[in-house]
Amino acid sequence: AQTVTQSQPEMSVQEAETVTLSCTYDTSESDYYLFWYKQPPSRQMILVIRQEAYKQQNATENRFSVNFQKAAKSFSLKISDSQLGDAAMYFCASNYGQNFVFGPGTRLSVLP
Amino acid sequence: DAGVIQSPRHEVTEMGQEVTLRCKPISGHNSLFWYRQTMMRGLELLIYFNNNVPIDDSGMPEDRFSAKMPNASFSTLKIQPSEPRDSAVYFCASSLWGGPNTEAFFGQGTRLTVV
Repeated sequence: AQTVTQSQPEMSVQEAETVTLSCTYDTSESDYYLFWYKQPPSRQMILVIRQEAYKQQNATENRFSVNFQKAAKSFSLKISDSQLGDAAMYFCASNYGQNFVFGPGTRLSVLP
Repeated sequence: DAGVIQSPRHEVTEMGQEVTLRCKPISGHNSLFWYRQTMMRGLELLIYFNNNVPIDDSGMPEDRFSAKMPNASFSTLKIQPSEPRDSAVYFCASSLWGGPNTEAFFGQGTRLTVV
């Protein structure tokens, strides 16, 4: 079965600093996508960034970037210049066929 | 597009009552998912449909839970009878499988409280 693991239940970062959230996954698929979702207190699930497994280049979206290590099945999220609005739960996810598998989440606090 | 629409946003019901949660996926999407989120268990997949057909319902907790998708624009998740342990946030999500940007789009969720 597909699994996604996030080993950091909670993280904190000082405003304007950089933080990295870890994610590892296990898949038997040869082609797949990886995702990071953000869930603020409003509980809306928001896509932060997407990576296609066959692409070597790491995805970036403004202050958000990933470090995708396919052989190690690792997919970490780096948030640069952290802002108070980045405080949220962050979920790593992978698609498994037509399905999506989510990790347990990392709660990120941003300290002023 | 208005996105995935769920109703109601909040539901409070008494133990033993029937509860029906509703979802309208994004137009054109061919996959629909029901998730349950709790503090203890995180985000759990209950069931997903592809082209209105249930593909995997192994996450449905027990026979008290049932889900239907009578057409491409509507799905329901029913709990009968409801129990306090069913209290959670229930999310519906949809996606376009095979599309260029395969991702799950989520609704706002329904917070269910069973007292």
